[in-house]
Amino acid sequence: AQTVTQSQPEMSVQEAETVTLSCTYDTSESDYYLFWYKQPPSRQMILVIRQEAYKQQNATENRFSVNFQKAAKSFSLKISDSQLGDAAMYFCAYLTSGTYKYIFGTGTRLKVLA
Amino acid sequence: GAGVSQSPSNKVTEKGKDVELRCDPISGHTALYWYRQSLGQGLEFLIYFQGNSAPDKSGLPSDRFSAERTGGSVSTLTIQRTQQEDSAVYLCASSFWGDANEKLFFGSGTQLSVL
Repeated sequence: AQTVTQSQPEMSVQEAETVTLSCTYDTSESDYYLFWYKQPPSRQMILVIRQEAYKQQNATENRFSVNFQKAAKSFSLKISDSQLGDAAMYFCAYLTSGTYKYIFGTGTRLKVLA
Repeated sequence: GAGVSQSPSNKVTEKGKDVELRCDPISGHTALYWYRQSLGQGLEFLIYFQGNSAPDKSGLPSDRFSAERTGGSVSTLTIQRTQQEDSAVYLCASSFWGDANEKLFFGSGTQLSVL
């Protein structure tokens, strides 16, 4: 069965600095998707970034980028120029292609210090 | 509506009572999920609806949990004879086709507290 592990329950970063959140996963599939979702205090989760496993190029979305290491089954999220509004829970998620059952990690709480 | 709407936002109930949680997905979205988020845990899949297909109920933790989706739109998650371990945030999400190329749209969840 697929699993997603986020080993950092909590991280802190100074405003304007860069932080990296870790995520590892376990799967025997070759075709899948990986996601990072942000959950602010409002509880409404929003998609931050998505990576297709068949793509070698790392996805980027403005200040957010990923380091996707397929062989190592690692999918870390880098937030550059951290802002106070980035403070939230971040969940890593996995989805096998052609299925609908997302598997989420336990989350990393990110604190941004002014 | 503009987004996924869940009600109530918070629900406090006594052990043994039944509760109903409501999810109103984005209009036109055929795929609807329910997840449970417990403190310190990830999101636990509960149930998935896709159009008129039979729902995937494989994540429901016990027969006290049930869900329905009427008219392919609004969904209700019912928990009978609530227990303290049912205390959690219940999140609903929807998407147009349930395809991985789409993103999930989440509601703000219902915080359920069972005393």
